[in-house]
Amino acid sequence: GQQLNQSPQSMFIQEGEDVSMNCTSSSIFNTWLWYKQDPGEGPVLLIALYKAGELTSNGRLTAQFGITRKDSFLNISASIPSDVGIYFCAGELIQGAQKLVFGQGTRLTINP
Amino acid sequence: DADVTQTPRNRITKTGKRIMLECSQTKGHDRMYWYRQDPGLGLRLIYYSFDVKDINKGEISDGYSVSRQAQAKFSLSLESAIPNQTALYFCATSALTGDYGYTFGSGTRLTVV
Repeated sequence: GQQLNQSPQSMFIQEGEDVSMNCTSSSIFNTWLWYKQDPGEGPVLLIALYKAGELTSNGRLTAQFGITRKDSFLNISASIPSDVGIYFCAGELIQGAQKLVFGQGTRLTINP
Repeated sequence: DADVTQTPRNRITKTGKRIMLECSQTKGHDRMYWYRQDPGLGLRLIYYSFDVKDINKGEISDGYSVSRQAQAKFSLSLESAIPNQTALYFCATSALTGDYGYTFGSGTRLTVV
C-alpha cells in the first residue's frame, strides 16, 4: 500500500505567493525525488536528494531531505502561472533497487 | 520525437475486452516500469523489468500482465478489462546506474465502460 503521505492534497494560491509541501513516511528512505506533472503529460523530475540533511535548489524551487530520512519538503518561491500542476514526492526504500514509491500528489492552482 | 512513447494516448474499451498498451523508448535504458495514476492515490507500480529477461510484479499487478519484447519495448495487457481499471497509465524508464530520475511517457488514458 501507500507508504508516503504527501500534504496538502491541493493548494489554491495567488500569483507571487510562496508554496510549501511535504512528504512523510514511517519508513526510512535512501533517496527522495520531487516531480511535477503538467496536464496531459507525464511527471518530470524537478529535484533529486541523495543524502540526509541535503538541501538542494533548482531556480525558485528548494527541497530538503529530512535528517531522520523519513520526510522531505519542497518549497516554491514567488509562484508564477506556469507552476500550476500536480507535484509528486517519490522515495526509494532500498538503495540501488530503483523502485520508487510515490506520494498522492499536491495539486497546485494559482489565481492570477 | 519523445524519449518514451506510449500508444495509444486515449482508449475507450468495453468490459471483458482484451487491451494492450504499448511503450517504446529511445533512452537506451535497461529498466522499464508501468504505473497507474488515480486521483488522490498518486502513482502505483503495476510491473517493472530490469532487463529483457526480468519481469517483476509491483504492488497492484492483479488483472494485468506485461511483455518485454526488447530492451526498448515494454507492453502492458489487460486480459479482461473491468471498469475499475479506468485510469491514467504511465510507462517510465531509468538507467541501470547513475541518477534516479525516471523518464516518463505522456500517458495513456484508458476508460473501461
